[in-house]
Amino acid sequence: ETGVTQSPTHLIKTRGQQVTLRCSSQSGHNTVSWYQQALGQGPQFIFQYYREEENGRGNFPPRFSGLQFPNYSSELNVNALELDDSALYLCASSLHRTDEQYFGPGTRLTVT
Amino acid sequence: AQTVTQSQPEMSVQEAETVTLSCTYDTSENNYYLFWYKQPPSRQMILVIRQEAYKQQNATENRFSVNFQKAAKSFSLKISDSQLGDTAMYFCAFMEGPMEYGNKLVFGAGTILRVKS
Repeated sequence: ETGVTQSPTHLIKTRGQQVTLRCSSQSGHNTVSWYQQALGQGPQFIFQYYREEENGRGNFPPRFSGLQFPNYSSELNVNALELDDSALYLCASSLHRTDEQYFGPGTRLTVT
Repeated sequence: AQTVTQSQPEMSVQEAETVTLSCTYDTSENNYYLFWYKQPPSRQMILVIRQEAYKQQNATENRFSVNFQKAAKSFSLKISDSQLGDTAMYFCAFMEGPMEYGNKLVFGAGTILRVKS
């Protein structure tokens, strides 16, 4: 059974640019959630996708957007990058919306 | 809004000894789930243990057990026979459920646990 995978591992972008992060959910999981983890802090919920529809959103501006594909993989897009967007971005998948979430290794985004 | 508080920023324990990590939470809901996650330096978040609020029996997974006190809104993690590989950041997390919309995990700030040889 393949776990949750994320790409890329690391990414360096310039302020104002756009970035796309990718996540492949664990086999059989139809729900993907995205979290932002600033250095030394707990993860903060960005949004969740369930069967290709957004199913909840945290306190993040609209420049954070996402997609879920028919195979349940997902993308996180961030436009107009700001320095404060520098963080570890974690993707988690679950069998159903209320089940325990299994995390990928994360993407470290640095905005300069 | 739900909040999760971990009051111990750092803890240390000798190998083979027992350590308890504290967590309190605030919610007005009656139906919810609680989790402990471990994040080693490799940064992969690993699920350690899960507790459903409607279950009175404390969850146990091998060397890991919880003390769930629903009335006090307390959810502590006990690690027995600590091993060097237990060194990590530990996060307590809350999920309200089940919900039709927005089944998010709310995390505490974390506790760094260092196991010493």
